Amino acid sequence: QKEVEQNSGPLSVPEGAIASLNCTYSDRGSQSFFWYRQYSGKSPELIMFIYSNGDKEDGRFTAQLNKASQYVSLLIRDSQPSDSATYLCAVGGYNNNDMRFGAGTRLTVKP
Amino acid sequence: SQTIHQWPATLVQPVGSPLSLECTVEGTSNPNLYWYRQAAGRGLQLLFYSVGIGQISSEVPQNLSASRPQDRQFILSSKKLLLSDSGFYLCAANRGLISMDEQYFGPGTRLTVT
Repeated sequence: QKEVEQNSGPLSVPEGAIASLNCTYSDRGSQSFFWYRQYSGKSPELIMFIYSNGDKEDGRFTAQLNKASQYVSLLIRDSQPSDSATYLCAVGGYNNNDMRFGAGTRLTVKP
Repeated sequence: SQTIHQWPATLVQPVGSPLSLECTVEGTSNPNLYWYRQAAGRGLQLLFYSVGIGQISSEVPQNLSASRPQDRQFILSSKKLLLSDSGFYLCAANRGLISMDEQYFGPGTRLTVT
């Protein structure tokens, strides 16, 4: 069984701080890694994807991947109250139908 | 960019009644299509995926079925709903010819079985 694990939270950070969200996965053959944001009652929206070891930055968001440790993280700099949501980690193989989602981490950014 | 439509947005159905949820995709040809279910406070469970018209793969045994009558149309059905079928149903799509492609989601249907 291919597992994707996330701390359910809630993770609470003050406005302007860095939020760090973590995800581990069990399948060493995983090739693609995604972070989605899901507001309460809404569908997930894609924030970032990463395929190679290292860091990938997009605005206030940085995805970090360490395949040897089977670990992927998302950093949110200068956190805003509008970042308060559940963040889903998704891990996929080479095939498009092989994506597995974690249960999500709920983030609260306090003004 | 692709746009995914789902309807209805919300649905309340009694146990034992039939179900039909529809998903349509705009902006991409030959997409891979997916049905997920999300129970309250839980992650996404993949129910079905399709790589082409009439091609459906089921991930979990259940009383649900899926069909893909047209390239950009995906339907989720049940003949008799169970209480455990309640949840948030999400249709997703990605580009069929691109490996490891990101999935995009429709707005979802919130189903309550009473």
